[in-house]
Amino acid sequence: GESVGLHLPTLSVQEGDNSIINCAYSNSASDYFIWYKQESGKGPQFIIDIRSNMDKRQGQRVTVLLNKTVKHLSLQIAATQPGDSAVYFCAENSIDTPLVFGKGTRLSVIA
Amino acid sequence: GAVVSQHPSRVICKSGTSVKIECRSLDFQATTMFWYRQFPKQSLMLMATSNEGSKATYEQGVEKDKFLINHASLTLSTLTVTSAHPEDSSFYICSAVRGPVGLYEQFFGPGTRLTVL
Repeated sequence: GESVGLHLPTLSVQEGDNSIINCAYSNSASDYFIWYKQESGKGPQFIIDIRSNMDKRQGQRVTVLLNKTVKHLSLQIAATQPGDSAVYFCAENSIDTPLVFGKGTRLSVIA
Repeated sequence: GAVVSQHPSRVICKSGTSVKIECRSLDFQATTMFWYRQFPKQSLMLMATSNEGSKATYEQGVEKDKFLINHASLTLSTLTVTSAHPEDSSFYICSAVRGPVGLYEQFFGPGTRLTVL
């Protein structure tokens, strides 16, 4: 199994600032990457995805960047709002493998 | 959209009893569903892959006789925690894959909080 820690990394940002959450993935064969948002006591909520043939994808207030060379994924949230406070997970998979989740980052928005 | 429900949302049981958790895809058919377990302040850990009409595939370290999975229809998978113990207390989350298009489109349920006393 994967190693996990008892404390999630936390990113604290001021309301209105931009947030950048980073993720290192492990499988160079993964070709699909997703960011999920999880609020306390709820299941993961899809935010944005990107396939390995792209290096950037934009959604509403969110941008995902993929660097396959160093196996790094990032999520940028523009004009962060209090409602963005949650735990964010990156996940990776390929056509015939289940999703593997990263360790997660807690985003705390300071009003 | 694609909606996945879980029932119950939370359950408290005594040690030694069995608990069944249901996962339903409400508006689509799912040939594949996944069961995850999440401990506090940790990530989701895949427990097993549930395929309609066949035996589930369990991840290493997950006891198949303790966590019974039944995927009896294209919209329902159940996870039964048998002879539950306090260490089985966790947040159990299912996901469902829409359509025969591979494993990309996964939709998650809201989770079930299990507390074993």
